[in-house]
Amino acid sequence: TQLLEQSPQFLSIQEGENLTVYCNSSSVFSSLQWYRQEPGEGPVLLVTVVTGGEVKKLKRLTFQFGDARKDSSLHITAAQPGDTGLYLCAGVTSGTYKYIFGTGTRLKVLA
Amino acid sequence: GAGVSQSPRYKVAKRGQDVALRCDPISGHVSLFWYQQALGQGPEFLTYFQNEAQLDKSGLPSDRFFAERPEGSVSTLKIQRTQQEDSAVYLCASSSRPGTAYEQYFGPGTRLTVT
Repeated sequence: TQLLEQSPQFLSIQEGENLTVYCNSSSVFSSLQWYRQEPGEGPVLLVTVVTGGEVKKLKRLTFQFGDARKDSSLHITAAQPGDTGLYLCAGVTSGTYKYIFGTGTRLKVLA
Repeated sequence: GAGVSQSPRYKVAKRGQDVALRCDPISGHVSLFWYQQALGQGPEFLTYFQNEAQLDKSGLPSDRFFAERPEGSVSTLKIQRTQQEDSAVYLCASSSRPGTAYEQYFGPGTRLTVT
């Protein structure tokens, strides 16, 4: 069974702090997506990474795909209350159409 | 429309009732996926359509669950004789690429509560 473990599971921080969320697996992925989901809404796509070692930036968010394409990280700089939500990574193995979703990281940023 | 839409947004059903959940994907998207999301967890795959063909239904929990996409656009997920364990958020996602999970766009979901 393919698993994507995310850590930490829960995170509560003050506005302005930095944080990193990790997504780890023993499987190799052809691509990996990060989503943010707010209560009562569907997941919203933040980024897709496909190349080992790739780094993508989206304003204060930095995403990195591991060299071996088995893991990924999301770093948020100067977190804001609007960053609050459930962060999900989703991996795709080559030749399949099924997402393997991570276990999720619930982030709360306090004003 | 601009995004994936789902209806109803909320559904309360008495145990034993049948329900039908609708998904309108992004126009032109050939791939359509259904997921089930339990509270506080990541979505779990239910089924996949490429146009009107249901290529994978391996995630459907039981034969009470049935999905269709007869004209390759709108899809309906039907649950017969609902049980309390069916209570969850049902998410629909679509993608422009066939045969791949790359970059799926999700709808807001339908929250089903079975009483």
